[in-house]
Amino acid sequence: NAGVTQTPKFQVLKTGQSMTLQCAQDMNHEYMSWYRQDPGMGLRLIHYSVGAGITDQGEVPNGYNVSRSTTEDFPLRLLSAAPSQTSVYFCASSPDGDQPQHFGDGTRLSIL
Amino acid sequence: SQKIEQNSEALNIQEGKTATLTCNYTNYSPAYLQWYRQDPGRGPVFLLLIRENEKEKRKERLKVTFDTTLKQSLFHITASQPADSATYLCALPGGSYIPTFGRGTSLIVHP
Repeated sequence: NAGVTQTPKFQVLKTGQSMTLQCAQDMNHEYMSWYRQDPGMGLRLIHYSVGAGITDQGEVPNGYNVSRSTTEDFPLRLLSAAPSQTSVYFCASSPDGDQPQHFGDGTRLSIL
Repeated sequence: SQKIEQNSEALNIQEGKTATLTCNYTNYSPAYLQWYRQDPGRGPVFLLLIRENEKEKRKERLKVTFDTTLKQSLFHITASQPADSATYLCALPGGSYIPTFGRGTSLIVHP
């Protein structure tokens, strides 16, 4: 099992560009989430999904879109990148809400 | 609003000693609490989950306590080793039971 796979590992964007961060899991988990981690701020929840076709907003959703068309994939879209979105982005999955989260190794994103 | 507090100052201890990390929370009545380990450049890794009806849970050299009256969890690593050096995060359930994380405490174990 690969677990949770995030691509790309690193990305540099210019302000205003759009991009999609990919997240895939091969554990047949229903729950998937996106967090961002900034120095001194900890992990903050952006969006999450409790199953295919179902998504909801977390603590910091502005500027990001998600969709969940399959159980395996949960892409995060930056619509118009801003320097404030420079961060490390982590995707996580779990079988259910009260089960341990499995994390990917993150995407390091810099917006110039 | 709900708040999770972990000591932002790094904890420095000598190898072989017991490390104790604290997680305090307010405005929560959590059904469970989780602890994760995060190494630099890596995603968090799950360590232990303790439920509200459990006072203590152990896994090898790790022990977690959960006091719902004090609204506090303590995370202990006995016989600590330099390889235990990492950041430790506690997490409580948020909306749809998706975890909300504390900011983490850095543990440094000196040989």
